[in-house]
Formats: sequence, structure tokens, C-alpha cells
Amino acid sequence: TQLLEQSPQFLSIQEGENLTVYCNSSSVFSSLQWYRQEPGEGPVLLVTVVTGGEVKKLKRLTFQFGDARKDSSLHITAAQPGDTGLYLCATRSGTSYGKLTFGQGTILTVHP
Amino acid sequence: DVKVTQSSRYLVKRTGEKVFLECVQDMDHENMFWYRQDPGLGLRLIYFSYDVKMKEKGDIPEGYSVSREKKERFSLILESASTNQTSMYLCASSLRQGGVEKLFFGSGTQLSVL
Repeated sequence: TQLLEQSPQFLSIQEGENLTVYCNSSSVFSSLQWYRQEPGEGPVLLVTVVTGGEVKKLKRLTFQFGDARKDSSLHITAAQPGDTGLYLCATRSGTSYGKLTFGQGTILTVHP
Repeated sequence: DVKVTQSSRYLVKRTGEKVFLECVQDMDHENMFWYRQDPGLGLRLIYFSYDVKMKEKGDIPEGYSVSREKKERFSLILESASTNQTSMYLCASSLRQGGVEKLFFGSGTQLSVL
């Protein structure tokens, strides 16, 4: 099973600040997904990156996949309290379709 | 919208009890999953099923079993609950699009075993 390391584990910032969350592995990712989980809810898929060097944007969120496909980052511009939640990266695990391995997550708190 | 429904939001059980966690999805997905989520450990896969009556062990199957008698329903069973099974349990179903699997999660069941 591929191990995913996320950093930082906790992030507490003020509204309007920028932040970056990282997801790293010693192995090459076939693809990588980012999920956000709000309190009391299940994770919701934000994006999937597949190609090395790929950059995807979702409003104020920018997702980057490393050239070597061993790392990914999530950058949030001008964070808002609504961005508060647990951010998880995940990658395909083994050969079975749909089986994902998750990182331990980054808990983001954005204060008004 | 895909809907994955878990039957209970909160459950409190006693050590040794048999516990059933139910999950239903309404999008005719082939694959369904049970994860548990613990602080600092992320989500860990317990079991998954890729068809009716088919199941495969995930990373932490010990102490759990599953049942998939109908395509839309996937049940997680704790044969004899123990305190170390206190956790948030998340059910998911998945859809394959463009060569990539997308998971859709329920809201979770917070299980406390006393």
C-alpha cells in the first residue's frame, strides 16, 4: 500500500490569508485526488490530477501535480471561513478499481 | 445528485454486542466501500465490494465482516464490538469516469463502544 504524507497536519489562519497544503509519497502516483470534508459530513471530491506537471483551478483553489508524479499541492488564495475543513489527498491503491489510500489529512481552520 | 445514505448518525453500543451499520446508494454503482476514520490516521479501508455477493478485504478487516445481498445496499457487521472499534465509519460508492474512480461518501456513523 502506497503511503501518503500530508503536511501540515493543522493549519489555523485568518480570513484573507493564502495557504498551501502538501501531499507526498516515495512512490509514483498513478493519479491523485483531493477531497474536502466538512464537520459532520463525508469527504467530497474536489479534483483529480493525472498528468505530471498538471495544474487545475477550482475558483480560489489551485491544485498542482508534481512533474515526477510523487507529490501534489493544494493552494488556497484569500481563504474564507467556508474553506474550513479537513483536506485529504488520496491515490489508487493496488490493482482493484476504486480502492483508494488516503493521507492523514490537514485540518484547516479559517478565522473571520 | 448521488446519494449515499447511512442509517445512523450516532450509535452507542456495549462491548460484545453485534453491531450492524447499513449503507444504501441510489445511483446503481457497482463498487461500494467501508472506511473507518480516526484522528491523525485519515481513512482506512475495511472492506469493499465490486458486485452483489462479492467482497474483498481492505487494509484493516480484522473484527469486521460485510454483506452485499442487493446492489444498492452494503452492510458492515461488527460480530463482537470492542472498545478499539470506537470510530467514525464512512460508507462510499464509486463511479468510474475517464479512467478515474470517483468516490461518493455518506455522512458517516459515529460509533462509540463502551
